[in-house]
Amino acid sequence: SQTIHQWPATLVQPVGSPLSLECTVEGTSNPNLYWYRQAAGRGLQLLFYSVGIGQISSEVPQNLSASRPQDRQFILSSKKLLLSDSGFYLCAWSVLVVASPLHFGNGTRLTVT
Amino acid sequence: DQQVKQNSPSLSVQEGRISILNCDYTNSMFDYFLWYKKYPAEGPTFLISISSIKDKNEDGRFTVFLNKSAKHLSLHIVPSQPGDSAVYFCAASAVEDSNYQLIWGAGTKLIIKP
Repeated sequence: SQTIHQWPATLVQPVGSPLSLECTVEGTSNPNLYWYRQAAGRGLQLLFYSVGIGQISSEVPQNLSASRPQDRQFILSSKKLLLSDSGFYLCAWSVLVVASPLHFGNGTRLTVT
Repeated sequence: DQQVKQNSPSLSVQEGRISILNCDYTNSMFDYFLWYKKYPAEGPTFLISISSIKDKNEDGRFTVFLNKSAKHLSLHIVPSQPGDSAVYFCAASAVEDSNYQLIWGAGTKLIIKP
């Protein structure tokens, strides 16, 4: 069966510090991978998605970047965090077929102080 | 422009009664709809889906209804249980989107009262 791992679960970082969140998927090959953010009291905002190694699409301009160095690894990064980067970050995967649901990790609660 | 709208931020329902969560969309090209359930500090969990060729899909206590002419879908939970207390998101996608991107509503917080 497929599983998705996301870490860390919580993170407190000062403004201006770098960020690296990692997500790995097991049990499937060539998944679509996604990074979402949920700000407090709001819905899910798609940040990045990837359909293959080295292929990253950005949905919104921001202080963040994503990389996919391996088929089942997706990394969310920032060189200098802003206060507005605080939120709940979710990694997800799906297979690239129509009507395929997303499967989410447990998320990372990021607080920028 | 919000293409998927969940106009009720919260809903309170007595245990054992029916919970009805609503979702409206504007893009007539959407042809696949999903409902997710989310507990605090966890990722959303897929609940149930429906394609535009159907108007109803049922899975245990959960039923999703789709009204294409009204661009409206709803999730019915019968009977409601305390463990159903969570935030529910509806999402939609269009086959014209080659990456099958999901467009999400803002969520409805369901509270089941004992």
